Amino acid sequence: GAVVSQHPSRVICKSGTSVKIECRSLDFQATTMFWYRQFPKQSLMLMATSNEGSKATYEQGVEKDKFLINHASLTLSTLTVTSAHPEDSSFYICSARRQGSTGELFFGEGSRLTVL
Amino acid sequence: KNQVEQSPQSLIILEGKNCTLQCNYTVSPFSNLRWYKQDTGRGPVSLTIMTFSENTKSNGRYTATLDADTKQSSLHITASQLSDSASYICVVSASNDYKLSFGAGTTVTVRA
Repeated sequence: GAVVSQHPSRVICKSGTSVKIECRSLDFQATTMFWYRQFPKQSLMLMATSNEGSKATYEQGVEKDKFLINHASLTLSTLTVTSAHPEDSSFYICSARRQGSTGELFFGEGSRLTVL
Repeated sequence: KNQVEQSPQSLIILEGKNCTLQCNYTVSPFSNLRWYKQDTGRGPVSLTIMTFSENTKSNGRYTATLDADTKQSSLHITASQLSDSASYICVVSASNDYKLSFGAGTTVTVRA
């Protein structure tokens, strides 16, 4: 089946630093990728929709200057958490939509960010 | 208000027993409904995806039903196993913009 890879799976950083998370669709092209944030025991919260070759669409309340999204190719989207603070600690998950009549969606394994 | 409501929020069942999870939605116009299984600390994995014309779809011991008239779906787990312990998320897609609406999930705990 289709695979979406996220890297890194875990990252610990100091407050004030920036962290980049990569999301790759390994065996299909994804013109649209999605980034989510998930707090413990809560469901996924959509942060932004990433479209290849254009600017990302952010959900209400998500700071676009804080969470930079780049979708430079049909198989890669990146999320950069800039000037990270402890409250940014969370589980970040990406998903990629496979083109087709149902637009099947595949999720990455997630990236656990801990900001000290 | 969330357009996808799941119930129960959590449940505990004994190994070998069956259980049913519910998903009610108000998303319109409807495109498809998906059930995902998410193990703790992992990304969600697709179980089933159902379009308007499909009433039932099975994936091993998982059987999903869809009633597009009443806008309800269920996920039935048969002969539960310890590995079924996870969060089950219902996701509904609108046909006009393919925007996805997520349910809050049902946490299932299977005990020996």
